[in-house]
Amino acid sequence: DAGIIQSPKHEVTEMGQTVTLRCEPIFGHNFLFWYRDTFVQGLELLSYFRSRSIIDNAGMPTERFSAERPDGSFSTLKIQPAEQGDSAVYVCASRPGDHEQYFGPGTRLTVT
Amino acid sequence: EDQVTQSPEALRLQEGESSSLNCSYTVSGLRGLFWYRQDPGKGPEFLFTLYSAGEEKEKERLKATLTKKESFLHITAPKPEDSATYLCAVQAGSGGGADGLTFGKGTHLIIQP
Repeated sequence: DAGIIQSPKHEVTEMGQTVTLRCEPIFGHNFLFWYRDTFVQGLELLSYFRSRSIIDNAGMPTERFSAERPDGSFSTLKIQPAEQGDSAVYVCASRPGDHEQYFGPGTRLTVT
Repeated sequence: EDQVTQSPEALRLQEGESSSLNCSYTVSGLRGLFWYRQDPGKGPEFLFTLYSAGEEKEKERLKATLTKKESFLHITAPKPEDSATYLCAVQAGSGGGADGLTFGKGTHLIIQP
């Protein structure tokens, strides 16, 4: 039973660089969510998709963040340009219709 | 704005010592309250969904209950392998982002042998 796949597991980048994180949801899951996990705030919703349409991105902290799900399967979260305050664990989740969400292991991003 | 507050932040118990974790919430129309378990370096693992006040669900040593203002996760005779961070989350019933979850900051539980 394949779970959610997030890549890379760890990303270290410098300020000003572009970061792209990837999420492969569980096959058949229509909804896909991006969360950010920090020590101070805990898990916070950034944006989510139903199929290939973005339903809500009100949680994106700034316009430097963008998310896509071009064919309704995998999704990418892009940070351009990255800042030190963006350092966090970015967690992807998916669900099939109106059920509980299943979470991936996250990508730990460090911006130096 | 939906809010979830979990207490205590951390809890250390002896093996076999039962206790309860609290999750207080404020939400505009509750569609569901979720409990997750998170181990270090891993994503949250689903435990329970509760939909209405008075509902209870059990799984092994865990039992979740729900009222109109809070939920409890009761742990009976815990074992060291129950050590983890337990997260509570709510799904609101209306407005933008109604499908996303609002999480509490979790309770870090340690069970000592």
